[in-house]
Amino acid sequence: DAMVIQNPRYQVTQFGKPVTLSCSQTLNHNVMYWYQQKSSQAPKLLFHYYDKDFNNEADTPDNFQSRRPNTSFCFLDIRSPGLGDAAMYLCATSRDLVREELFFGSGTQLSVL
Amino acid sequence: DQQVKQNSPSLSVQEGRISILNCDYTNSMFDYFLWYKKYPAEGPTFLISISSIKDKNEDGRFTVFLNKSAKHLSLHIVPSQPGDSAVYFCAASAVRGAQKLVFGQGTRLTINP
Repeated sequence: DAMVIQNPRYQVTQFGKPVTLSCSQTLNHNVMYWYQQKSSQAPKLLFHYYDKDFNNEADTPDNFQSRRPNTSFCFLDIRSPGLGDAAMYLCATSRDLVREELFFGSGTQLSVL
Repeated sequence: DQQVKQNSPSLSVQEGRISILNCDYTNSMFDYFLWYKKYPAEGPTFLISISSIKDKNEDGRFTVFLNKSAKHLSLHIVPSQPGDSAVYFCAASAVRGAQKLVFGQGTRLTINP
């Protein structure tokens, strides 16, 4: 089955220690997104890639970076995690920039100690 | 500033009855509206959508109603089944595509046998 896969399911890191979250997709979609979702809050878009074109949301902290080495993979790098970065991180894809339907991975729950 | 609000964090409905989930928005420029459903330990999945040129869209047991003058969206599930127990997110966008989707906080629906 075509899908969006996130690894790991749970990630624990230390305050200030860089961490990378991974996302892969077999849907061959052009657009990949990273969302942050804190408990009982709405998912918040951090950035998205249209092919190799990176688009950062205006209020995404500089602490968050992303890489998309190829169509299938996208990474979220948090350079110096703070306690406030503990959240569920959701990766999603869409076929192109004119379709609203998103295909989500299961998410990575990040804890910062 | 929350542009999309789901004011009921939770809703409990008896199996076989109608479930009505509500969503309010503040941005009059929103033209595309979607509902996503999320089971525990899974990512959200697309359920149903509507554009502003319509006031109703139906897909099997699921119907979405849009009242643009009231800036209100609702999802009706008839009849409700135990498998409908999940968190439901509404989302809205002023432009085509998912890159400007704004999500609500979600409503947890529980269907009681």
